[in-house]
Amino acid sequence: DVKVTQSSRYLVKRTGEKVFLECVQDMDHENMFWYRQDPGLGLRLIYFSYDVKMKEKGDIPEGYSVSREKKERFSLILESASTNQTSMYLCASTSHRQGGEQYFGPGTRLTVT
Amino acid sequence: GNSVTQMEGPVTLSEEAFLTINCTYTATGYPSLFWYVQYPGEGLQLLLKATKADDKGSNKGFEATYRKETTSFHLEKGSVQVSDSAVYFCALRTDRGSTLGRLYFGRGTQLTVWP
Repeated sequence: DVKVTQSSRYLVKRTGEKVFLECVQDMDHENMFWYRQDPGLGLRLIYFSYDVKMKEKGDIPEGYSVSREKKERFSLILESASTNQTSMYLCASTSHRQGGEQYFGPGTRLTVT
Repeated sequence: GNSVTQMEGPVTLSEEAFLTINCTYTATGYPSLFWYVQYPGEGLQLLLKATKADDKGSNKGFEATYRKETTSFHLEKGSVQVSDSAVYFCALRTDRGSTLGRLYFGRGTQLTVWP
């Protein structure tokens, strides 16, 4: 059974803290993605990666960075967490195969106080 | 550019009612189209997909047909159940250049089914 796992389901952090969200996939997928989901705004793409050590900005990269040192792992970093980064964060992966679907992790609900 | 517009919610239906959630898209090239479902507290799951014009995707009683002439991929189900209550997302994938593998999502439609 294919799987995308995220390091935490719920996370509470204080303003100004550095936050790491980890995502691991076991499908040998080349592409990995980080989204945030907010009520009324749907899913918004933060960053994505086509391969190890490669990264591309999505639609809302400000305040975030990413790291992809191994093919199966994609980390989202909040350098200095702020309250407006309170959200649900979803990781996904897909192959280069044309028309392939993305597989999603269960999400991390992050609260910044 | 690439974008997806789907029916605003919330949608509230009685059990066994007919469901339609409209989805239209704008894309460069020939996209693949998807419907995802998100149950409360969970991530997104693929519900169905279609990769070329006139293809019909189907799963769990849901269907959607890829209509190139109307750039649409409407989701339908003949008889909804309480367990279908969820948020539904329409999405497209274009596989062109720098957007390889990226999905463009609609904003989601909340469906609530009452017994």
